[in-house]
Amino acid sequence: EVQLVESGGGLVQPGGSLRLSCVGSGFSLRAYWMTWVRQAPGKGLEWVANIKQDESEKFYVDSVKGRFTISRDNAKNSLHLQMNSLRAEDTAVYYCAREPTTLQFDSWGRGTLVTVSS
Amino acid sequence: QSALTQPRSVSGSPGQSVTISCTGTSSDVGGYSFVSWFQQHPGKAPKLMIYDVSKRPSGVPVRFSGSKSGSTASLTISGLQAEDEADYYCGSYAGFYTYVFGTGTKVTVL
Repeated sequence: EVQLVESGGGLVQPGGSLRLSCVGSGFSLRAYWMTWVRQAPGKGLEWVANIKQDESEKFYVDSVKGRFTISRDNAKNSLHLQMNSLRAEDTAVYYCAREPTTLQFDSWGRGTLVTVSS
Repeated sequence: QSALTQPRSVSGSPGQSVTISCTGTSSDVGGYSFVSWFQQHPGKAPKLMIYDVSKRPSGVPVRFSGSKSGSTASLTISGLQAEDEADYYCGSYAGFYTYVFGTGTKVTVL
């Protein structure tokens, strides 16, 4: 069974940093593009970033460029999101998802909550 | 990267059909055949229901169908069932390997 489990969320002050992780099981993460999607409380989905299988290509939504970095460790079947200079508007549940083809987010984790507040 | 426009809510009785629209621009929905639809029940992760405008992943009931005309994509649920009550989001490729989601639609089964 394909499974994705996120971790690393929590409460952080504005300007602070947090590193999210997503561990996959039941499949080989190295074979897939992977993506991060977030959802602010009571709001809609927002695509955040994605990464190619070999890390040669990474793309971000404009609002996180220069602050967030997506990476992966295929040997550990894991995906990461380093978030720096966090702002209140980054408060959201962050989901990782598998991306077999363009926008075909076929498996999702349960999400991890990030709260940016003083 | 503005969000795609969806109606805030739609409703129907069991057995009826409902259609959710998703309006974008020529830079996203209108420019590519990469539109997906996701279902999200309260407190749960989204679930892929349609990809590539009209393809259904394995396990998704045939009553879910997708289409596109110009810059507007649509999701139709035929033969509405109680378990279809959820939030639905469209998503589109927006060029340069980026994506944009819709504003979301709450489907209520009366």
